[in-house]
Amino acid sequence: EVKLEESGGGLVQPGGSMKLSCAASGFTFSDAWMDWVRQSPEKGLEWVAEIRSKANNHATYYAESVKGRFTISRDDSKSSVYLQMNSLRAEDTGIYYCTRVLGLRFDYWGQGTTLTVSS
Amino acid sequence: DIQMTQSPASLSASVGETVTITCRASENIYSYLAWYQQKQGKSPQLLVYNAKTLAEGVPSRFSGSGSGTQFSLKINSLQPEDFGSYYCQHHYGTPPTFGGGTKLEIK
Repeated sequence: EVKLEESGGGLVQPGGSMKLSCAASGFTFSDAWMDWVRQSPEKGLEWVAEIRSKANNHATYYAESVKGRFTISRDDSKSSVYLQMNSLRAEDTGIYYCTRVLGLRFDYWGQGTTLTVSS
Repeated sequence: DIQMTQSPASLSASVGETVTITCRASENIYSYLAWYQQKQGKSPQLLVYNAKTLAEGVPSRFSGSGSGTQFSLKINSLQPEDFGSYYCQHHYGTPPTFGGGTKLEIK
């Protein structure tokens, strides 16, 4: 059974930092492309970042709205993917989902972790 | 970026009815279109990909169609567990983008 479990959300002040983690199980993690997708009432579902497999040189891609502020990474030995978020803004508030990617579609989602950026 | 437009934004229907949700892409995405279902308080779940291929475990009352820029998701004989929100998403290149969603409510 595929499982994705996010952790690390919470309340942070504007300009602050937060790191999200996602622990995966039930599939060969090292072969998988992994993404973060967020959801807010204002913007709906929004793709955030992607990291591809070792076979694809762990290439990373980012939404324009987070480029230069967020960094996606992975540790295949721990079957985990991370999202380091810096210079956080109010508009980054939302539920962050860890997803497995297959053919650029999101075939498995975690339960989500909530980030609130507010003073 | 490719814009995805869904309609209607909300829909009220009864158990047993058939409903159709549409999705329009701002440019040709061939058949690279996915549909997701999201129930209140839960994460989205993949229903359909490549416009018409049902994901594993999805009941056959769901069907997807379309290509190019016009797509639809049809749900035959609505069941109580089908009520929730539905989203389309193109998977033709990066960045993938989602439609604004359709909220399907019980009449």
